[in-house]
This record gives sequence, C-alpha cells and structure tokens, in this order.
Amino acid sequence: KAGVTQTPRYLIKTRGQQVTLSCSPISGHRSVSWYQQTPGQGLQFLFEYFSETQRNKGNFPGRFSGRQFSNSRSEMNVSTLELGDSALYLCASSNGVEGTEAFFGQGTRLTVV
Amino acid sequence: GQQLNQSPQSMFIQEGEDVSMNCTSSSIFNTWLWYKQDPGEGPVLLIALYKAGELTSNGRLTAQFGITRKDSFLNISASIPSDVGIYFCAGQRNTPLVFGKGTRLSVIA
Repeated sequence: KAGVTQTPRYLIKTRGQQVTLSCSPISGHRSVSWYQQTPGQGLQFLFEYFSETQRNKGNFPGRFSGRQFSNSRSEMNVSTLELGDSALYLCASSNGVEGTEAFFGQGTRLTVV
Repeated sequence: GQQLNQSPQSMFIQEGEDVSMNCTSSSIFNTWLWYKQDPGEGPVLLIALYKAGELTSNGRLTAQFGITRKDSFLNISASIPSDVGIYFCAGQRNTPLVFGKGTRLSVIA
C-alpha cells in the first residue's frame, strides 16, 4: 500500500511569486490536512479537506489556500510569497473519522528568497 | 486555542539508557498520537492511544494515555543510535490534531 506522496520535495521561489504544492493521500483515505513546520513555531495547522470540502481551517492569512479533487488528491497554494513562508509543508492523510491515525508525507521544503 | 506542553525540549542520553518524555494539556483529548521525525523527513507514526489509561507498546517504545485525558507519556527502553530524532505528541478532540513542540533526542554511543 503506497504511502502519502508530496511533490515537489524542494522548491525555491522569490518573494511575490506564488507556489502550488501537491499531496496524494493513502488509497482510500478521504481526509488531507496541511501543516506548516518551522523551527520556531513547530507544526501549525493550515487546513483540512474531506471529500472535496474544506472542513477545518487554521489561523493563516488568505494567501494560503487549498483544494481537494475527487480522487482525494489535494493541492495547497500560497500567493504573494513572503520570506517568512519558508518552511517544511507537510500533509497528513487519514480516513477522516476522528480518533483514527494520521500519516504524513515526506514534506515539501519551500525556500523563499 | 488548545496547546500541548511537551517536555523535555531536548535530551542527551547514553546508548542503552531508558528515555521518558511527556505531554500535558489544559484540555482533555480523546486520542493521543506519538510521532518521530528524522531531519528533512515527515513525522512517522509510532503509537496511537484511544482510551484513558491505555498502555500500548511498539517494540522498545511504550506510551500511555493519562487517566485525566490531559496527558500522555512515551518511554523508550535501551536506546540505540537510530532513536535520534524529534519526537512529537499530538492530541485530538473534535478538532484537527494539535501538536506539541517536540522533544529532540540525542544518543551518545
């Protein structure tokens, strides 16, 4: 059974650009959650998608957005990049039922210069 | 919002020693999860706990779901060099997972 796949693994962008990251969850999982990880702030929740609908949202500005497709694959987009957006972006896959396990991808390391 | 206090922040131990770390919360949780993260990789799920008082093992790892539902503990016995990494606790109750800030474990051979 394939794990959670995130692409790309690494990205370098300049300030003001936008970026799209992709996450393919474990087969059969309908929930994808996105997290931003930085050394100072730890793992911060961005949003969760379940069956193509945003089910939960964290405290991030509107520049951060996401979507989920009918095959459960999810994308997140960050517009007008800032230096502070440099981080490891992680997605977690689960079946969407509370109290079940969540599995992470390897992450996308975004560097904004 | 909910916060998890994870301690210690970092540990330096000798190979073969046992390790303990814990997480506490001001709120109760229905689920506790423990993850390990290696540099540049995503967190890997180690143990999942679903009931207050539950004690679960995974090899040399043992974790417990506190009776008050506000805390959880992870123990690693007879540490080895590959135990090096950052360990995260995560709790959940009617919300997305909330994470602790991690315990960085270093093992001295």
